[in-house]
Formats: sequence, C-alpha cells, structure tokens
Amino acid sequence: AQSVTQPDIHITVSEGASLELRCNYSYGATPYLFWYVQSPGQGLQLLLKYFSGDTLVQGIKGFEAEFKRSQSSFNLRKPSVHWSDAAEYFCALYNAGNMLTFGGGTRLMVKP
Amino acid sequence: EAGVVQSPRYKIIEKKQPVAFWCNPISGHNTLYWYLQNLGQGPELLIRYENEEAVDDSQLPKDRFSAERLKGVDSTLKIQPAELGDSAVYLCASSSRAASGLYNEQFFGPGTRLTVL
Repeated sequence: AQSVTQPDIHITVSEGASLELRCNYSYGATPYLFWYVQSPGQGLQLLLKYFSGDTLVQGIKGFEAEFKRSQSSFNLRKPSVHWSDAAEYFCALYNAGNMLTFGGGTRLMVKP
Repeated sequence: EAGVVQSPRYKIIEKKQPVAFWCNPISGHNTLYWYLQNLGQGPELLIRYENEEAVDDSQLPKDRFSAERLKGVDSTLKIQPAELGDSAVYLCASSSRAASGLYNEQFFGPGTRLTVL
C-alpha cells in the first residue's frame, strides 16, 4: 500500500531564514510526487512536481524539492522564507490509478 | 480561465439535517473528484467521476453520502443525515487527460467548510 508521511506537524521559522519541510513516501514503483500549498480558506495550489529525470525540481514562489530514492524522501526547500509563505503544505503521491495520496500536512508559521 | 467553483463556502447545520455541496469544474475537464479534509489532515478521496460515471467510490460512506454528476459537468455531494463527525472541509477538484495519458494534474476548488452542531 502507498503512503505519505510528513513528520513535522508544525514548523516555525523566522522571516528570511531557510526552510526545509520533510516528506517520506512508501510506494512499490517509481513515484510521481507533488507538493501543494494551502492558505487559509483557499484550495490547494500545486508548488512543484517530480516525475522522472533531474532529482532537483524547481517550483513556483522560489520553492524547490529534491527526490532521494535511497531515502524515500521528497523534501521541500526554500532559501529565504517570506511572511506570505505561512500556510499548510502537503506532500502527495500519485499512482497509476489516477489517485493522489496526501500526507498529513505541515503547518508553517513565519516569525517577523 | 475560471478555476473550480464550489458553493457554498461555509455551511452550518444541526445534526440529522441534510446538506448538499455543489461543484463546477474547469471547462473541458472530464474528471471530477470529491475529497474530504478533516482538520489537521490531508485530503482523502471520496469519489472520482469520469464524465458521468463514478469510477471510484470505494471511500464514500454510502449509508449517508451520495453524489451525482449529471451531464458530466457539475456535481453535487449530499449528506443525509449529517452527523457531528462530518464536520470537515469538502474539496472538489477536476482534471483533463494529459497527452501522455499517464498523469492528469488536478486543480482544486476552495472547498466547503461544513460545521455540524
């Protein structure tokens, strides 16, 4: 069975500091992986996706993520966080059955 | 291009009452999804439609939940009767088939926040 785990429920960083959100997955085949952001009262917005090829993928809003098959991880990073980045972030895995399996989410808070 | 539209955005009802949520997908998207998002958790798929056909409803609690997608466009999700534990956000998403046929990016609506008292 496939699963996605986001070990950190809450993370607080200072504005301007770097950010890394963790995501671990379990899947029997090559995964398609995604990061979504959800601001209060908003739907999920796709930040970036990994299908194959270069294991470092760039997304919108200055985010990037690195796929590490050996660690079953797909961590999201940003070099300098802005106050507007405060939101909930979800890692997700896509399977051939056209299903998205989401992690539990990480709520990011940004200190001024 | 308009995104996925959902209404109402918020709904407060008393337990045992019925409630319905409406979703209008992005024009041309043949696949529509309903997700349940409990507080502090990620979304979980309830049902997926390909045009008018429900192709995956294994997670839909059929004793009280029902859904329809007449004419393969708009969709309605209904709960009757609602229970306290149904308080959550109900998300709708839609997608079109990519050229490769392997992946369809899902676009999400803002959701309906249901509170059952």
